Formats: sequence, structure tokens, C-alpha cells
Amino acid sequence: GNSVTQMEGPVTLSEEAFLTINCTYTATGYPSLFWYVQYPGEGLQLLLKATKADDKGSNKGFEATYRKETTSFHLEKGSVQVSDSAVYFCALLEGGSYIPTFGRGTSLIVHP
Amino acid sequence: ETGVTQSPTHLIKTRGQQVTLRCSSQSGHNTVSWYQQALGQGPQFIFQYYREEENGRGNFPPRFSGLQFPNYSSELNVNALELDDSALYLCASSLERGEKLFFGSGTQLSVL
Repeated sequence: GNSVTQMEGPVTLSEEAFLTINCTYTATGYPSLFWYVQYPGEGLQLLLKATKADDKGSNKGFEATYRKETTSFHLEKGSVQVSDSAVYFCALLEGGSYIPTFGRGTSLIVHP
Repeated sequence: ETGVTQSPTHLIKTRGQQVTLRCSSQSGHNTVSWYQQALGQGPQFIFQYYREEENGRGNFPPRFSGLQFPNYSSELNVNALELDDSALYLCASSLERGEKLFFGSGTQLSVL
């Protein structure tokens, strides 16, 4: 079956540091890939997505590239802010399915 | 345009009781999905409703049941509550199946 594996958290960084959160996936076909963000006390929000190999999703300074050869979709940001502190979820949606599969989430803590 | 709203925000029940959680989907959205998010875990899919019909179900026992109304709002019912049912329950709506999910802030259920 489909699965998503994310790096363990928490990831703790100082403001303006470079961020990478790793995500790898297992799927039978060619899924679409997503990153969601969950701020404290809120539901998940879609951050970015990519629908095919080599696509790059980007939003609010965050980027992730769909790498079919390594089955990965790592999230990056060049300079994090305190306001980026949240839990980040990687997810996939198999072609023909309506139900995404989520990873367990990675907590990011950014200190001033 | 109102977002996805869930009620109540917090709930405390005892083992063996029954609970009903409610979700108002975003205006115009005909698909509602329910997820269980245990502490430190990613959202686990419970079921999805599309135009008042169940459209998919995750690996949850039959004591988890649901309903979608003609206005596309939805309920999640859980019978014979167990301690392990303690979690954040998230509702997400989408304009159509497989499209972008819009999440509510969730209902935090504690079973004592």
C-alpha cells in the first residue's frame, strides 16, 4: 500500500537558518505529492504541491521538488522565521484515488 | 465565504459513552472527509462522504459511523467509546472529490 515517511522531529532552528524536512514515499503508481502545515490550535492548510516528476511546488518561500528516482519530496526554505514554527505534513494522492495518505508530521521550532 | 467549522471544539466523555461531532463544510463543497489525529501522529482517514453517500472508508471499526446532509454538512458518530479514541478529529471539505482539502480546526475528544 501507499505510505509516507517523514524525518523525526522536532527540528529546532534559529531564525534565518536553512530548513530541510525530509519526506520519502511508497506508491504503486504516480501520485501527486503535497506539503501541509498545521499551526498551533488550527487545522491543516495546503502549503504546496507537485503533480508529476521533476515538478517544483513553491509557496511563501518554501519549495519541494518531486524526485521520482529517489521517491522523495523534501521541503526546503532558505531563511526560516519564528512564524514558521508549526507541524509540517507530507502527503500523497495516488492517481485515481480521492483519499490522500499523510505522514506522521515533523514539528519545526524556530527561535529568535 | 465561511471556512470549515467544527463543533464542539473540546469534549470530555467516559468509556462506553457515545459522541456526535459536527462539521459544516465550506460553501459549495460537496465532499467531506473525516480524520483522526492522535497526539504526535499524522491524520488517519476515517471515511469520506460525497453528495450524501459514503465514498470510502479507512481502517476503523463499525462503531465509527457518519452522515452527510443535503446541505453537505456532516456528522461523525462514535459508539462505545474507548480510551484509545482520545484524539483530535478533523473534518475537511473539498469542492469535488480529489480536489484541494480545506480543514477545520478540529474537535479535541478526551475519553476518560
